[in-house]
Amino acid sequence: NFMLIQPHSVSESPGKTVTISCTRSSGRIASNYVHWYQQRPGSSPKNVIYEDNKRPSGVPDRFSGSIDSSSNSASLTISGLKPDDEADYFCQSYDASARVFGGGTKLTVL
Amino acid sequence: EVQLVESGGGLVQPGRSLRLSCAASGFTFDDYAMHWVRQVPGKGLEWVSSISWNSATILYADSVRGRFTVSRDNAKNSLYLQMNSLRVDDMALYYCAKGGASQYDAFDVWGQGTIVTVSS
Repeated sequence: NFMLIQPHSVSESPGKTVTISCTRSSGRIASNYVHWYQQRPGSSPKNVIYEDNKRPSGVPDRFSGSIDSSSNSASLTISGLKPDDEADYFCQSYDASARVFGGGTKLTVL
Repeated sequence: EVQLVESGGGLVQPGRSLRLSCAASGFTFDDYAMHWVRQVPGKGLEWVSSISWNSATILYADSVRGRFTVSRDNAKNSLYLQMNSLRVDDMALYYCAKGGASQYDAFDVWGQGTIVTVSS
């Protein structure tokens, strides 16, 4: 199976924009959808991006997703950062036999 | 309201068994794939198992294959995870999650989790 590699942590100031990367170790990132989840401390995960770049109902348009085939990675971008965005973020994809989560990125909003 | 409620967690000795349940409500259960995901507190998410709407497709992580069995009862709107030969490294918070019509869809609803502790 492949792995999804995320930075351990990122930090940025309120009002700024942050991008979290998710690199697929083998196989093409564009071959299978990438989904993103937000997990605030003490809470269950919440889907914030599905199918690479779609937002579930209720997720603000400050959240966006993209795929870059040249780097074989997906990205989650959060603009206009709010203190409430401070959380762990996980990417997830799949192949025919497994579902795979990235290791997670802790976002600190300074 | 769409809701998933896990139960069945607890303290169990290594080598013993435990059966987790997930009660679903607020949606047409038999239209959707369902999944189990676990998380050691303070660590990342680990996918455990998936089952399609009609149980025709069942997948397991390598770490649990041969020891865990996923099943569902669509008449009871319930998902199950039978965990045998439990090991210390199975200790985690176990979430059930709702998938989409396709088993490749995102996990769009999560329960609150049930904790499994494996210790002698």
